[in-house]
Amino acid sequence: EVQLVESGGGLVKPGGSLRLSCAASGFTFSTHTMNWVRQAPGKGLEWVSSISASSTYIYYTDSVKGRFSISRDNAKNSVYLQMNSLRAEDTGVYHCVSGSPIGAEYFQHWGQGTLLTVSS
Amino acid sequence: SYVLTQPPSVSVAPGQTARITCGGSSIGSKSVHWYQQKPGQAPVLVVYDDSDRPSGIPERFSGSNSGNTATLTISRVGAGDEADYYCQMWDSYSGLYVFGTGTKVTVL
Repeated sequence: EVQLVESGGGLVKPGGSLRLSCAASGFTFSTHTMNWVRQAPGKGLEWVSSISASSTYIYYTDSVKGRFSISRDNAKNSVYLQMNSLRAEDTGVYHCVSGSPIGAEYFQHWGQGTLLTVSS
Repeated sequence: SYVLTQPPSVSVAPGQTARITCGGSSIGSKSVHWYQQKPGQAPVLVVYDDSDRPSGIPERFSGSNSGNTATLTISRVGAGDEADYYCQMWDSYSGLYVFGTGTKVTVL
């Protein structure tokens, strides 16, 4: 059974930093693109960042470029999201998501998410 | 950036068919994927590559994509289908992913 378990969420003041972690199991982690997708309270889904299987390709949505950094450790089956200069609009549930097995065009498995609240 | 437009809500009687549209410029030339999200739960992939179903997803869920509109069709709708539904595509040139605005399906 595929499991994606996020951790590291919490309450942070504007301008602060936080690191999210995601532990994966039940599939060959090292061959899949991994992603972070967020959802603000009462809003829709927003893709945040993706990292290819060997970390060669990394992408970010425009609103987090220069502030967020995605990384992975294939030996630990884990993916991370370092978030700096946090803003109120970054508040939401952050889901760790595995990409499709070929081409990474869609999001195959989702974690339950971890809640980030940015507020003073 | 590319925009995918969905109707905010769709209402359907039990046993009837719900159709959820996803509009975008020449979307028919791209692969579209659909997710179901029930309250308090993580999204679940229900259709990928326009019309394929992951294992475990009922045949009642089907998809099509042509021109400027992709459509998710749910046949024989039941109370368990009440959820938010999102379309999604991947822009291979930029490497970026786009979600639709989301549609809330209500079973009357």
